[in-house]
Amino acid sequence: DAKTTQPPSMDCAEGRAANLPCNHSTISGNEYVYWYRQIHSQGPQYIIHGLKNNETNEMASLIITEDRKSSTLILPHATLRDTAVYYCIVRVLINNNDMRFGAGTRLTVKP
Amino acid sequence: DTEVTQTPKHLVMGMTNKKSLKCEQHMGHRAMYWYKQKAKKPPELMFVYSYEKLSINESVPSRFSPECPNSSLLNLHLHALQPEDSALYLCASSQDTEYTEAFFGQGTRLTVV
Repeated sequence: DAKTTQPPSMDCAEGRAANLPCNHSTISGNEYVYWYRQIHSQGPQYIIHGLKNNETNEMASLIITEDRKSSTLILPHATLRDTAVYYCIVRVLINNNDMRFGAGTRLTVKP
Repeated sequence: DTEVTQTPKHLVMGMTNKKSLKCEQHMGHRAMYWYKQKAKKPPELMFVYSYEKLSINESVPSRFSPECPNSSLLNLHLHALQPEDSALYLCASSQDTEYTEAFFGQGTRLTVV
């Protein structure tokens, strides 16, 4: 699987959009971008995934650049409960049970 | 039911003890995972079971012994652990061949004394 690079930490004001970047410059054509988050002392939680089109769900939006070498997870109106470590993972979707976490970004939402 | 249930939530064991961690899901998922997480570090993949067969073993020491007795259950048997094995042990499950989302349990906080 391709490796990812994320900033170790970010701050965001409550109510503002949180934009979390991820670089995956060696991504292969059949690899998807996944985002998970882990709130303190809990198990990781799936957020969203995508291949090349932008994706949106009730939790977040995922913007993938046209060359697919980087992506941004957007939490449109961050709340204090969004304070967590956010992991960007690149992996093949089909016939693949291998899912490994990188260092992630620790997002702190401040009042 | 989209829950992965892990028991116990906390476990303290001596270095000569034998104990087991249990993980259960009823989502019909055919892949199940064990991860180990040390404080302020990301989860590290240990084992993956696919259709009750071990498909990934990340060179984990033999004092950790996984078992998948059926498609809903995953155990991790522990024997002769070291204090450095103290960590949060996370279980996860997913559909097998085309999975879009893995579900994680809340973990077992293990302390080896």
